[in-house]
Amino acid sequence: SAVISQKPSRDICQRGTSLTIQCQVDSQVTMMFWYRQQPGQSLTLIATANQGSEATYESGFVIDKFPISRPNLTFSTLTVSNMSPEDSSIYLCSVVMRTGGGEQYFGPGTRLTVT
Amino acid sequence: SQKIEQNSEALNIQEGKTATLTCNYTNYSPAYLQWYRQDPGRGPVFLLLIRENEKEKRKERLKVTFDTTLKQSLFHITASQPADSATYLCALDLLYNQGGKLIFGQGTELSVKP
Repeated sequence: SAVISQKPSRDICQRGTSLTIQCQVDSQVTMMFWYRQQPGQSLTLIATANQGSEATYESGFVIDKFPISRPNLTFSTLTVSNMSPEDSSIYLCSVVMRTGGGEQYFGPGTRLTVT
Repeated sequence: SQKIEQNSEALNIQEGKTATLTCNYTNYSPAYLQWYRQDPGRGPVFLLLIRENEKEKRKERLKVTFDTTLKQSLFHITASQPADSATYLCALDLLYNQGGKLIFGQGTELSVKP
């Protein structure tokens, strides 16, 4: 398995500002993903974080709003830009291990509230 | 359209009974199907993975079945305990076509009463 940390664990932000969330893994992984979980809802995939290249975004998510970086195999950031109250959600990163069978390991999540 | 549906209602059972959770999907051809547990305020935790050519998988008190003809997976917890109370998520892994992405169902909230 992997130990995944996210920073910050929670934040309250004002409308129009941006927040960058960090995801750090304790071992090398093949794939990293970013999900959003809105209150009372299931997880929705935002994008696949690709090492050294642009992330691959799902339908409904764009790079200008959710820029993602992945400079190496163990670290990624997600920025939520120009925030509105609709962006209030939990943001989670997940990883697929090199030695795994395809299962994903999730970070603890970042709880974002936009006022 | 593509859809994943889990038990629409929360599931309440008595301790010691078997809990059975359902995951149905349409218009997908997943290579794998995965089950996760999520506790309030925490990220999902992986439980079991079953491949398209497997009918059944077991791990301790957990059992998963996968019927690609019916497009359905059943998740069983035998001898359930109050500590099993959580939300359980099924996820389709479109590995062959989509590079490892997971598509999650909405989850079923399980409550095990002592």
